[in-house]
Amino acid sequence: DSGVTQTPKHLITATGQRVTLRCSPRSGDLSVYWYQQSLDQGLQFLIQYYNGEERAKGNILERFSAQQFPDLHSELNLSSLELGDSALYFCASSVSVNQETQYFGPGTRLLVL
Amino acid sequence: AQKVTQAQTEISVVEKEDVTLDCVYETRDTTYYLFWYKQPPSGELVFLIRRNSFDEQNEISGRYSWNFQKSTSSFNFTITASQVVDSAVYFCALSGRETSGSRLTFGEGTQLTVNP
Repeated sequence: DSGVTQTPKHLITATGQRVTLRCSPRSGDLSVYWYQQSLDQGLQFLIQYYNGEERAKGNILERFSAQQFPDLHSELNLSSLELGDSALYFCASSVSVNQETQYFGPGTRLLVL
Repeated sequence: AQKVTQAQTEISVVEKEDVTLDCVYETRDTTYYLFWYKQPPSGELVFLIRRNSFDEQNEISGRYSWNFQKSTSSFNFTITASQVVDSAVYFCALSGRETSGSRLTFGEGTQLTVNP
């Protein structure tokens, strides 16, 4: 158990809908990262937050957004969902921003029908 | 741009065999970090090792060992006396301080199957 929690574990929804994925980092970690794992794209970095502020952005679609709250938990919002958004979404956390080890949560498996 | 290549898509071995998973990386950064993660069938990503670009010492942890060679831009992972529980997808990842901050660039992964 990495100490990173993600909810829900599974999500099934329809095209055009909006969902919110939630992540709680390890105790003491200030950085939260979101990654997407899909069959065609592999594991890709989406976005990073550090202590409530956006720190880095990867290949995140405009339909996706994220935030980190004062209690350091983070949410990833996916809207206008398309079939191609079906993937495993991971949250990871680390102590700060200096290439420390990122510990991953169990992931949320999203299926868009 | 940074890139990680894991040329072996799938490897199948018989229990107790030794197996080496290859990882080759590209980066222009002088300071960078390399990682290996394991993804068992249950799906989570489990951290195995982190190595910085200034430390080329090989590392051994039980049946696991890692060989980092800057001259060939490789960070290979060997499992000695493999066990069925080692069956998983293994990912090599790179984080370059200057160009990519803390984000991880992953390879495509190697599916290891250990047969009894």
